[in-house]
Amino acid sequence: QKEVEQNSGPLSVPEGAIASLNCTYSDRGSQSFFWYRQYSGKSPELIMSIYSNGDKEDGRFTAQLNKASQYVSLLIRDSQPSDSATYHCAVNVGSNYQLIWGAGTKLIIKP
Amino acid sequence: GAVVSQHPSRVICKSGTSVKIECRSLDFQATTMFWYRQFPKKSLMLMATSNEGSKATYEQGVEKDKFLINHASLTLSTLTVTSAHPEDSSFYICSAKLGSYSGDTQYFGPGTRLTVL
Repeated sequence: QKEVEQNSGPLSVPEGAIASLNCTYSDRGSQSFFWYRQYSGKSPELIMSIYSNGDKEDGRFTAQLNKASQYVSLLIRDSQPSDSATYHCAVNVGSNYQLIWGAGTKLIIKP
Repeated sequence: GAVVSQHPSRVICKSGTSVKIECRSLDFQATTMFWYRQFPKKSLMLMATSNEGSKATYEQGVEKDKFLINHASLTLSTLTVTSAHPEDSSFYICSAKLGSYSGDTQYFGPGTRLTVL
C-alpha cells in the first residue's frame, strides 16, 4: 500500500527560527511532491511543489527532495506566528495523479 | 488564477435526507476533479476522482451509491450524499487539477462542513 509518513507533532519553533518539516513516501514511482498548509477549519493551500532532486526555494520556503531516500522536506525560514498551521505532504500516484496525503504536522510558532 | 469554489460552505440536515455539494473551477477548465473527506484532526481522505463526461472512480471503501458524483462540465462537479446519517458528518473538500500531464497541481475549494442531525 502506498503511504506518506509525517510526524504529527506538534512541532514548536520560536519566532524567527527555522522550522523543518519532514516526510517520507513509499512509492518509488512517484514523480510529483507537494506541501500544503491548512489552517484549522479551512481547506489546504498549496505552499510548494517539487519534481526534481535538490532544493527549490520560494521566499521563506525551501522544499528539498531526495528520491533515492524517498524523502521530502520543507524548511520555513524566519518563522512567523502566522505560519502556525498543519502542514501536509502530498505525493502524486496513479493514472489520474491522485494525491496520497501524509497525516500532517502541526506547527506552532511561539512569539 | 486557479480559483475553486464550493457551495454551500456549511449545511445542516436531518438524518435520511440528501445533500448536494457543488464544486466549480472559476477561471480554468478542470478535466479532473477530486473529492475528499476530512474528519477532525485527521488527514484528507480521497473519496473519488471525477473526470468530465465519464463515471467517477471511487476509492476502496467508499460507497458509490451513497456518494453520487456528477461531472457534467469542465467547470462543475457535484457530490450528493444520499440518505445522510450522523456518521456522514464531516468536512468535504473538492479540488481541481490544471492540465492533463503528470505533476499538475491540485487547487482546493474552501470546503463544505456537513452536519447530519
